[in-house]
Amino acid sequence: GESVGLHLPTLSVQEGDNSIINCAYSNSASDYFIWYKQESGKGPQFIIDIRSNMDKRQGQRVTVLLNKTVKHLSLQIAATQPGDSAVYFCAETPSHSGTYKYIFGTGTRLKVLA
Amino acid sequence: DGGITQSPKYLFRKEGQNVTLSCEQNLNHDAMYWYRQDPGQGLRLIYYSQIVNDFQKGDIAEGYSVSREKKESFPLTVTSAQKNPTAFYLCASSYRDNQPQHFGDGTRLSIL
Repeated sequence: GESVGLHLPTLSVQEGDNSIINCAYSNSASDYFIWYKQESGKGPQFIIDIRSNMDKRQGQRVTVLLNKTVKHLSLQIAATQPGDSAVYFCAETPSHSGTYKYIFGTGTRLKVLA
Repeated sequence: DGGITQSPKYLFRKEGQNVTLSCEQNLNHDAMYWYRQDPGQGLRLIYYSQIVNDFQKGDIAEGYSVSREKKESFPLTVTSAQKNPTAFYLCASSYRDNQPQHFGDGTRLSIL
């Protein structure tokens, strides 16, 4: 089985409820942020991104909120479904040209209860 | 469909052996990356390439080597100098810097 995700914080939510996953980022120079979803045995899948000139961005059933004052990022999933069960992690990078290095969080495991 | 293909899905290395992990993309992305994923840790950058015939070391390049002879391909060799190679290796690509990176489904490397 997939060993990535051992000892991760876990969020358990009932199917149909909303989920909120949090990420505290480390670099005050970071101004581009991405949320990824990783299912067991697979590579990370892009969910949504946000740049620092925005506080909020919405996608299909997902919303990302950015609070630059406290260096905090959150991912909200509306009407959580069983297929949302996965590890979610954020990534940050300064967006000035030429920076290809991202800092990735360790992730949160989301478990959806039927 | 466009995407990133990594092969093989599982790989076993003997002591003293070099092994090469394949990564191919048909997204027409300029930049490609190799990451290592260990339990309980964030992705760590091994090498990245911004353009053909050019690549830079990441944070944990020791014991690894890469080449970028074609835009579509960015193979990673895990050499015998890498003493702790057991991990899940992920390849990614992006159109350019500060754009979303798209990942393959990884190669799990284990030691025999």
